[in-house]
Amino acid sequence: GNSVTQMEGPVTLSEEAFLTINCTYTATGYPSLFWYVQYPGEGLQLLLKATKADDKGSNKGFEATYRKETTSFHLEKGSVQVSDSAVYFCALASGSGSARQLTFGSGTQLTVLP
Amino acid sequence: DVKVTQSSRYLVKRTGEKVFLECVQDMDHENMFWYRQDPGLGLRLIYFSYDVKMKEKGDIPEGYSVSREKKERFSLILESASTNQTSMYLCASSLGSYAYEQYFGPGTRLTVT
Repeated sequence: GNSVTQMEGPVTLSEEAFLTINCTYTATGYPSLFWYVQYPGEGLQLLLKATKADDKGSNKGFEATYRKETTSFHLEKGSVQVSDSAVYFCALASGSGSARQLTFGSGTQLTVLP
Repeated sequence: DVKVTQSSRYLVKRTGEKVFLECVQDMDHENMFWYRQDPGLGLRLIYFSYDVKMKEKGDIPEGYSVSREKKERFSLILESASTNQTSMYLCASSLGSYAYEQYFGPGTRLTVT
């Protein structure tokens, strides 16, 4: 079946540090890949996505590239801010039926210190 | 903006009680989903629905049922709550058959004592 593996947290960084959160996946076919973010006390929001190999998703300074050869979709940001403190989830979309389902990783808690 | 609302942010119930969690979306989305979120396990799909009165089991349906009588409303039912159902419950919706992006509600933190 499909699965997503994320690096374990928590991750603590100083403001302006470089961020990488690793994500690898197992899936049949050609899944679409996503990063979602969950700020404290809120539901999940889509951060970025990529639908085919070599696509790069980007939003709010975050980037991730769909690497089919390594089955990876690592999240990066060049300079994190305190406001980036949140839980980040990697996910893949699968399903051939009427509704596309998402398979989520376990989430990575990021704390950015001023 | 898409809005997904859940009936309660926090809920405390006793073992054996019947529990209803309600979710409403205001964007005429066809698909709706219920997840539970537990530390270290991420989100796990309980049930989803792709049309009114239609439902399909997700990865962990045991102990839960759902109801979708209207397009905008999707209810999760715990027939007889147990302590191992203490969790955060998240509802989500998406537009149509090939829509991947899901929009999430704020969640309901359920405690079963």
